[in-house]
Amino acid sequence: ETGVTQTPRHLVMGMTNKKSLKCEQHLGHNAMYWYKQSAKKPLELMFVYSLEERVENNSVPSRFSPECPNSSHLFLHLHTLQPEDSALYLCASSQDEGNSGGTQYFGPGTRLTVL
Amino acid sequence: AQSVTQLGSHVSVSEGALVLLRCNYSSSVPPYLFWYVQYPNQGLQLLLKYTSAATLVKGINGFEAEFKKSETSFHLTKPSAHMRDAAEYFCAVSPFSGGYNKLIFGAGTRLAAHP
Repeated sequence: ETGVTQTPRHLVMGMTNKKSLKCEQHLGHNAMYWYKQSAKKPLELMFVYSLEERVENNSVPSRFSPECPNSSHLFLHLHTLQPEDSALYLCASSQDEGNSGGTQYFGPGTRLTVL
Repeated sequence: AQSVTQLGSHVSVSEGALVLLRCNYSSSVPPYLFWYVQYPNQGLQLLLKYTSAATLVKGINGFEAEFKKSETSFHLTKPSAHMRDAAEYFCAVSPFSGGYNKLIFGAGTRLAAHP
């Protein structure tokens, strides 16, 4: 595997289900990101982990819970979601060297549908 | 606060015609600037990146962008459009955060190329 991978690619869940999205980066990076991409809305940054520590949490509802067990893996745990949470969830990684300008590399995304 | 404005949510060009996608940014200091492309059902792929080394930046697939500080613009161009260029294009700015590589995205421009 190369780059950034995400599983599953598609997920359909009911509002009472619990599921998890997985992201793995094979680039040796030390920062990982979760984005939400909804139709007709700009990309929304949800969470950022740098050196396995959460450094940003953009007012995301608690029904979304991130986990970063090591620098290569990132999870997004989902529970009691709403239909408006249906979207493409994108994971990205970058090499954080203490300043800006580092390129983020994106995975293919997980298309989530909440019924 | 930093922001990115992409003029035109949809652009349609004839195959072989010039492609021009507009991006303006607001930043108090010269930022890092990026163009990403998203093909249907895929994640975002880096097209090119401005890092102040040169104002004209060449990217993949024949695209290039010119940084104009006086106009706070970073427009994306390609001399001759191909059908395969049909995708959504995102301009992004990376403000200096002193920490991780935060990206602020524009709303995106969907490019359609027709025969």
